[in-house]
Amino acid sequence: DQQVKQNSPSLSVQEGRISILNCDYTNSMFDYFLWYKKYPAEGPTFLISISSIKDKNEDGRFTVFLNKSAKHLSLHIVPSQPGDSAVYFCAASLSGGGSNYKLTFGKGTLLTVNP
Amino acid sequence: DAGITQSPRHKVTETGTPVTLRCHQTENHRYMYWYRQDPGHGLRLIHYSYGVKDTDKGEVSDGYSVSRSKTEDFLLTLESATSSQTSVYFCAISDQKGEAFFGQGTRLTVV
Repeated sequence: DQQVKQNSPSLSVQEGRISILNCDYTNSMFDYFLWYKKYPAEGPTFLISISSIKDKNEDGRFTVFLNKSAKHLSLHIVPSQPGDSAVYFCAASLSGGGSNYKLTFGKGTLLTVNP
Repeated sequence: DAGITQSPRHKVTETGTPVTLRCHQTENHRYMYWYRQDPGHGLRLIHYSYGVKDTDKGEVSDGYSVSRSKTEDFLLTLESATSSQTSVYFCAISDQKGEAFFGQGTRLTVV
């Protein structure tokens, strides 16, 4: 039973345009959400996060939007660059600490930015 | 880069043999995790630790055990390796609230 879902296995966009990656979750108790980027043969690297008390967080070209009522978040990359080509993972967690704090990941979306 | 090291980076082993993967951190983070990455499955949590000697199962824990005898080391053991455990294994560390930092991964092949 997948609690974090990325329904698009791949996405292709032109350089300079916007990339929008989507993620849905089923556990309403999740209160912290993260996006990771992964290049081949490397470990995932943290990109941006958002707490459930916010609906938007921005960091340079990257913006994450959270819609709690829809249990949906999205990552916007503007403008997209060829170096952004990677697999993007959405992750969610419970921030209560103790044994409950663990990251649950989606299956990932392969983003290809074409020059 | 976060101070997290996985060893070995690559390993080929035979079916039925025990295998231990090591994760070492220098960040003094409380939480440590073992994930596996497989095509079509993303990152799946095997086991995690929320303190020394405090561990719990993730979603794909069958066939794996872990130990954490000190803050900096988290060991993953495949008690009797099977071909289905051929995968890329990632260790990660985190504070109670915040992003997790990942190691470079261990590519394990069970033949």
